Order: sequence, then structure tokens, then C-alpha cells
Amino acid sequence: DAKTTQPPSMDCAEGRAANLPCNHSTISGNEYVYWYRQIHSQGPQYIIHGLKNNETNEMASLIITEDRKSSTLILPHATLRDTAVYYCIVRVVSGGSYIPTFGRGTSLIVHP
Amino acid sequence: DAMVIQNPRYQVTQFGKPVTLSCSQTLNHNVMYWYQQKSSQAPKLLFHYYDKDFNNEADTPDNFQSRRPNTSFCFLDIRSPGLGDAAMYLCATSRGTAGVTDTQYFGPGTRLTVL
Repeated sequence: DAKTTQPPSMDCAEGRAANLPCNHSTISGNEYVYWYRQIHSQGPQYIIHGLKNNETNEMASLIITEDRKSSTLILPHATLRDTAVYYCIVRVVSGGSYIPTFGRGTSLIVHP
Repeated sequence: DAMVIQNPRYQVTQFGKPVTLSCSQTLNHNVMYWYQQKSSQAPKLLFHYYDKDFNNEADTPDNFQSRRPNTSFCFLDIRSPGLGDAAMYLCATSRGTAGVTDTQYFGPGTRLTVL
């Protein structure tokens, strides 16, 4: 079972910031939060990950609350090409390995 | 540069006719994964290999098998496809670093149609 909860859908105007929340209240102290996105009919694409500090890269920023029970992915200037399903992932142990388990994700629609 | 390659991108098979999907990687990663993704659903992990060690998810049907002959290649075999096996099949890789941080890289997927 996924250990994350996300809103099923969101929309955003082109050029505005898109803020995608994720709840991971059962996260353990050493687990990272990963974000991927999946554009229609393509494989998921890595966006960013973090442990407890806020992170930023060329694609997005990740804000993690101090208690680490939730996080927000920020696309600072959303474009039409950012329309996709966004997955927040916390890994679970399977076969001795930490395995990413996908929840339902958030379908983000960026409109003109 | 292609990193995780899946062939074919589209596969049509007949009900009950065995089919094999392939995945290759140029990243030299230790771990390879197979996911099944049905329409409007999240990817569901079927199994993964850590090097040659095979790990099957508990609810993966016996109809699904996998082979990893070397580091670069991994195959998904569906022995007797049913209509319910029509889906996108995603291959992914990761370094398999110790600890809890390990980024996955996904291929473009193979869309399987069962007639």
C-alpha cells in the first residue's frame, strides 16, 4: 500500500506557480520523499527528492515540513507541458530493498 | 541519449499466446523493476531484480515471469495473456545504493493489447 495521500486533481493557470501537496504522515526518520511525474502515455520522470531540508533544482522546488509528515512540490512557472500526473513516493521495504510504491497521484492540468 | 530502452513500444498478442517484453539499460544499474500500469491507475510493481536476485511481489500472478540474463537486459514473460493483462508495462532501473535513497529511471513503456 502506498504511504502517501495526494489530491486526485488540481489545475493551474499557465505562468503561475503550481503547488502540489502530499501527506506522508507515517514516514520514518530516514526515508526520503521522491516526486515523479508521468506525462500521458510516457514513463514516469524523476523530478526531485528530499529528506528534511528544502530542495530546489532546475525543474522544481520541494518544501518538506519540519515534522516531515507532509511536503509540497512547487513548479514556479507552470507551462502547458507540465500537464501530467504527479506522484509523491515514499519507499517501502520489499525483499530487503526499499521499493518505491506509487499512490494515485495528482493529475495537474495547466490551462492557458 | 537513451538510458532505459523498452521494445517494442506497442505489442499486440492473442488471448493465451505467450508474449515477451524486453528492457535494456545503458546505466549499469544494479536494480531493474517491472511495473504494470492499467488505464488511469498508478504503476503497480510486479517484481524487481537486485543484480541476479529476483524479488517477486506477493500479489504478482504466476502468469508473469521474468528473466535477467545479464546486467543490461531484463525480460517480462507473460505465459498466457488474458484480456485483463492489457496494460502499459514499465521497466525501471536504479543504482541500488544502500540506504533509503535510490532514484529510479523509467523506460517509455510497452503498451500491450490482448485480442
